[in-house]
Amino acid sequence: EAQVTQNPRYLITVTGKKLTVTCSQNMNHEYMSWYRQDPGLGLRQIYYSMNVEVTDKGDVPEGYKVSRKEKRNFPLILESPSPNQTSLYFCASSGLASGKRKETQYFGPGTRLLVL
Amino acid sequence: LAKTTQPISMDSYEGQEVNITCSHNNIATNDYITWYQQFPSQGPRFIIQGYKTKVTNEVASLFIPADRKSSTLSLPRVSLSDTAVYYCLVGPVSSGGYQKVTFGTGTKLQVIP
Repeated sequence: EAQVTQNPRYLITVTGKKLTVTCSQNMNHEYMSWYRQDPGLGLRQIYYSMNVEVTDKGDVPEGYKVSRKEKRNFPLILESPSPNQTSLYFCASSGLASGKRKETQYFGPGTRLLVL
Repeated sequence: LAKTTQPISMDSYEGQEVNITCSHNNIATNDYITWYQQFPSQGPRFIIQGYKTKVTNEVASLFIPADRKSSTLSLPRVSLSDTAVYYCLVGPVSSGGYQKVTFGTGTKLQVIP
């Protein structure tokens, strides 16, 4: 089954404690993105990657890092989380290899993060 | 990137046709218009995408006028399960997929029995 998986699904942490949210897709997609969703603000793109070792900033990259060492994985790293990073995070992928329409983005189930 | 503007919320009775309009005055030549549906605590799901004129699939239609400064998502005969937030997204789609994109704040559709 074609899917995007994220782990963990829920996370409570404290300010300053480094954390990583993993994202993996099994569709051999070139493109992957991270979004955060906050009430009243909709979805905002954090970072995106056009392929392995190619990443670029979205609209709200401050406080986040990403890496793309393998095509299927795109982890989101919070080096020193702060309470304003409490949010719902989504990973997404899109590309040509799935046999579906290339313009479709597939989203993961989301990771709900609370930073105390 | 083209900024999008949508109504914050809409109500509709079951069985009616619903039209949600998105304004994108600064749309660029290579931008596509895509609509997503999102249920609470789930990731958005692709509904339909178009560049110009009209596109129809099994769940919706998308109407885009000649100047492309707006678009209208049409949902025929909505049911309670169509209650969700609908996002309009405008941005370039390269041969591989999405690059930098900006979602609007979405339209919350409430279907009433």
